[in-house]
Amino acid sequence: DSGVTQTPKHLITATGQRVTLRCSPRSGDLSVYWYQQSLDQGLQFLIQYYNGEERAKGNILERFSAQQFPDLHSELNLSSLELGDSALYFCASSVGTGGAITYEQYFGPGTRLTVT
Amino acid sequence: QQQVKQSPQSLIVQKGGISIINCAYENTAFDYFPWYQQFPGKGPALLIAIRPDVSEKKEGRFTISFNKSAKQFSLHIMDSQPGDSATYFCAAGAYNTDKLIFGTGTRLQVFP
Repeated sequence: DSGVTQTPKHLITATGQRVTLRCSPRSGDLSVYWYQQSLDQGLQFLIQYYNGEERAKGNILERFSAQQFPDLHSELNLSSLELGDSALYFCASSVGTGGAITYEQYFGPGTRLTVT
Repeated sequence: QQQVKQSPQSLIVQKGGISIINCAYENTAFDYFPWYQQFPGKGPALLIAIRPDVSEKKEGRFTISFNKSAKQFSLHIMDSQPGDSATYFCAAGAYNTDKLIFGTGTRLQVFP
């Protein structure tokens, strides 16, 4: 158990809908990362927050947004969902920021999103 | 230049054998190379990581070999066990970013 929690575990929704995925980082970790894992794309970095502020952005669609709250939990919002958004969404956390060399990332169990 | 190329895509090994997974990168700014292990239905778990100032790091049955000049690194699993059956991802990170670039994964199956 990495100490990172994600809810819900599974989510089934229809095209065009909006969903929110939630992540609580390990105790003491200030950085939260979101990744998308699909069969044909592997693990893709979406976005990182550090202590409430956006730190780095990857291949995140404009329909997707995220935020980190004062209690350090994070939410990933996915809107206008398409069939191709079906994937596993992982949250990871690390102690801080300043380079991957220093701060190891620990992954949560993921949320499986199915868009029908 | 941001890619990390991983091979093979899948690997079948007999129990007790050696599993070898290879990764290659182009970006010379990468200076952190972790390996993650993922079981079905679970999140990736950090297995072992190496910095480019050493050529090898060993933790139990798991060894990373790193070749800086060739820009390649590999994971060796000695005495492979059925419990090692999982998907393995290599990754690379740069000193000026927290972003990890992942390889496409290798599905390892160890048969008794």
